[in-house]
Amino acid sequence: GQQVMQIPQYQHVQEGEDFTTYCNSSTTLSNIQWYKQRPGGHPVFLIQLVKSGEVKKQKRLTFQFGEAKKNSSLHITATQTTDVGTYFCAGRGYGQNFVFGPGTRLSVLP
Amino acid sequence: DGGITQSPKYLFRKEGQNVTLSCEQNLNHDAMYWYRQDPGQGLRLIYYSQIVNDFQKGDIAEGYSVSREKKESFPLTVTSAQKNPTAFYLCASSIPEYQPQHFGDGTRLSIL
Repeated sequence: GQQVMQIPQYQHVQEGEDFTTYCNSSTTLSNIQWYKQRPGGHPVFLIQLVKSGEVKKQKRLTFQFGEAKKNSSLHITATQTTDVGTYFCAGRGYGQNFVFGPGTRLSVLP
Repeated sequence: DGGITQSPKYLFRKEGQNVTLSCEQNLNHDAMYWYRQDPGQGLRLIYYSQIVNDFQKGDIAEGYSVSREKKESFPLTVTSAQKNPTAFYLCASSIPEYQPQHFGDGTRLSIL
């Protein structure tokens, strides 16, 4: 079945540094979503990407969908302590349900 | 305010006991989902429902059961057949099944 992988598993950064997490699918995706889960909380939807090569920005966050629609990335510029949490990608194959990746846990040191 | 309400927040199960986790939404969403999250891991789909009186198994349905008698409600029963039920259970809903999912606050289930 479809598998979704994310790297790195953990990332510790100093406040102000950039952060990137990568998401890779074993199959071609129709769309991909990104979620953020704060410690002790529930996942919160960030964005959905649908088109090949799509790039979307939300303030300091930049999301990319690969040309082959099998990978995606989330880049945070100048991290802040409020960025702490686990970032999940969820990829959906054609006619399939979303499959969540294992997540990247981000720690930001002040 | 619209949202998803899960109850209880914490639940303890004795050996051989079935327990039911509640999930109610007032977002008027058609699709609802149940996920299991183990420490340090992603979300795994247990069951999902796209319409009232219909539901499908997800990747890890064994030892679980659901019902969808009302659009607003999608309760999950963790049966005694689920030998490792300790986990964080999340309920979610969306408009069609491929749209963003809105999650409840979750239920933490532990074994006594």
